[in-house]
Order: sequence, then C-alpha cells, then structure tokens
Amino acid sequence: EIVLTQSPGTLSLSPGERATLSCRASQSVSSSYLAWYQQKPGQPPRLLIYGASSRATGIPDRFSGSGSGTDFTLTISRLEPEDFAVYYCQQYGSSYVFGQGTELEIK
Amino acid sequence: QVQLVQSGAEVKKPGASVKVSCKASGYTFSDFYIYWVRQAPGQGLEWMGKINPNGGSTNYAQKFQGRVTMSRDTSTSTVYVEVSSLRSEDTAVYYCARGRTERWLQSHDAFDIWGQGTMVTVSS
Repeated sequence: EIVLTQSPGTLSLSPGERATLSCRASQSVSSSYLAWYQQKPGQPPRLLIYGASSRATGIPDRFSGSGSGTDFTLTISRLEPEDFAVYYCQQYGSSYVFGQGTELEIK
Repeated sequence: QVQLVQSGAEVKKPGASVKVSCKASGYTFSDFYIYWVRQAPGQGLEWMGKINPNGGSTNYAQKFQGRVTMSRDTSTSTVYVEVSSLRSEDTAVYYCARGRTERWLQSHDAFDIWGQGTMVTVSS
C-alpha cells in the first residue's frame, strides 16, 4: 500500500504570506490521482485540488497544486485568515490513502 | 443542493454493533460512488470502503474486512455502514462522502461532497 508523508507537520505563517505544503508518496501515484483537502475544527474535509493540479468547484485561485510521480505540493499564494486549518493529501489511484496532515497555524 | 445528511451520534458498549446512515439528495443517487471515512479524536482520516449505489457492490479496506458492512436503500437514497464487534479504538467521527465524477467516467475519484459526520463513542 502506498504511504503518504506530509511535511511539515506544523507550519506557522502570517496572513498575506505564501504557504508551501509537501506530500511525498512511497510509490508513484498513478495518473496523478492525488487530491488535497482542507479541514477546520468540527467540520468535514473540503476538497481543494484533484488530479494533482485541478481546483475543485468554488475553490479560490490562491490555492494551487503541482507535482507528479511521488512528489506533490499544495501552494497557497497569499494566506487569508480563513485558510488556517489542517490540510490532508490523498491518493486515490491505488486504493485510497490519506497523509497524516499538515496543520497551518497563525504565527 | 447536493448534500449528504448523516444520522445522529451513537454511544455503544464494547462488542456491540453500530449502523450509521447517510441520506443523499440533490443528485441521481445511483450515479456516484459513496465512500466511508473515519477520524478518531485528534487523528487523521482513514478510508474504510466504498459502495456502488447501482447494484450495491462494495470494496472494503483490508483493515475492515469482515467487521464492516456497507449497504444501500435505493428507495430512500440512503447508504449505511455497520461496524460490528466494536472496541474502544472504533471511537471516531464517521463520514460518508461522494465521488466527484459519475461512476462510469472514473472508478477511482476524489471525494467532493461530505456528510456532516456521525460521532460514534465506544465505552463501557
């Protein structure tokens, strides 16, 4: 089974800054079947990115995804106060596996 | 609007079973796979399995084989997950989620619509 490792575990930034979150897979992710989700306390996850780089419906363009093979990145170009949350990557090409999450906190 | 509405919180004793429901609305129920994901308190997301509402075929994560059963009722557009032989480690929020695209277009997909979650507490 593919294992996804997210880094860093916690990222401390200020509103207006750029955030870069990493997701590394133990094996190549087929057809870039890689998604990113945002989760706030007490809420279900929200799909941000699918297919490694396509934004889901209604997601602002400050969120972007990139990468292929085993290395993927979620970038938030300019952090808004509502962006501070936990982010998970997920591969869905070979079964379904989530990373352990990156907490994005206000500095 | 497209939504998934789940049943309410449950408290169960070890060894018991629990059945959580997820009612779909706002789209054609049989056209999209439904997935179940759980999240233990303070922990990450764990995929449990998926069900094809058209026909009812299922695919379970190996960890849950033999202890989890997913089913559906097409007359009410509702899917269910039943977990048996509950233990304290099953204490979690259980979510249903819908695949992003129609099942005939993509058999593996990201999850675009989520239910609100159902807290299941296992305690003696």
